Amino acid sequence: ETGVTQTPRHLVMGMTNKKSLKCEQHLGHNAMYWYKQSAKKPLELMFVYSLEERVENNSVPSRFSPECPNSSHLFLHLHTLQPEDSALYLCASSPNVLESTDTQYFGPGTRLTVL
Amino acid sequence: AQSVTQLGSHVSVSEGALVLLRCNYSSSVPPYLFWYVQYPNQGLQLLLKYTSAATLVKGINGFEAEFKKSETSFHLTKPSAHMSDAAEYFCAVILWGFSGTYKYIFGTGTRLKVLA
Repeated sequence: ETGVTQTPRHLVMGMTNKKSLKCEQHLGHNAMYWYKQSAKKPLELMFVYSLEERVENNSVPSRFSPECPNSSHLFLHLHTLQPEDSALYLCASSPNVLESTDTQYFGPGTRLTVL
Repeated sequence: AQSVTQLGSHVSVSEGALVLLRCNYSSSVPPYLFWYVQYPNQGLQLLLKYTSAATLVKGINGFEAEFKKSETSFHLTKPSAHMSDAAEYFCAVILWGFSGTYKYIFGTGTRLKVLA
């Protein structure tokens, strides 16, 4: 039990669909993250939130839209995706976005397939 | 800029044999380095981290890593492989931003296979 849960675990969507990924952390952390994990590529940081405020956006296309309504929940809204967006999307949390020695705790991921 | 390189995308060892997973880093400042493990259908889990204290770092499940500045390396080792060690292993270095925040820069991962 990592303390970070993600739903759904698997998602198949067409390019015209709109869907959302959900992440919830039960660790009392202040920072939450979205990562993209594609085959044969390093994990890519997409977004960083600290206390519900977005502090980093790593040049992610606008078809990915994050939302952090409170420090325990993080969403990734998806619309008009492309097949190359198929990947494992990982959510993580850490106690404090400014403390680089903190461990990040990862959820199990959502396996997204875009047809 | 900070980066890490993991040599060998796949490594196979026999059960009971030494595990050695290689990670070399590039950093313009003293680095913070991490090893994470990802078991099938799970997220990443921290194995160990180096944050400028002792150069030999011990982690969970019998793993350890040694920071060698002269070789810019942070290789992960375990004396005796167990079947349960089969997973993908990621090395990461910290990259600091101007705003005081940081992010991990991950390597491409090494998939460890343990043979019976």
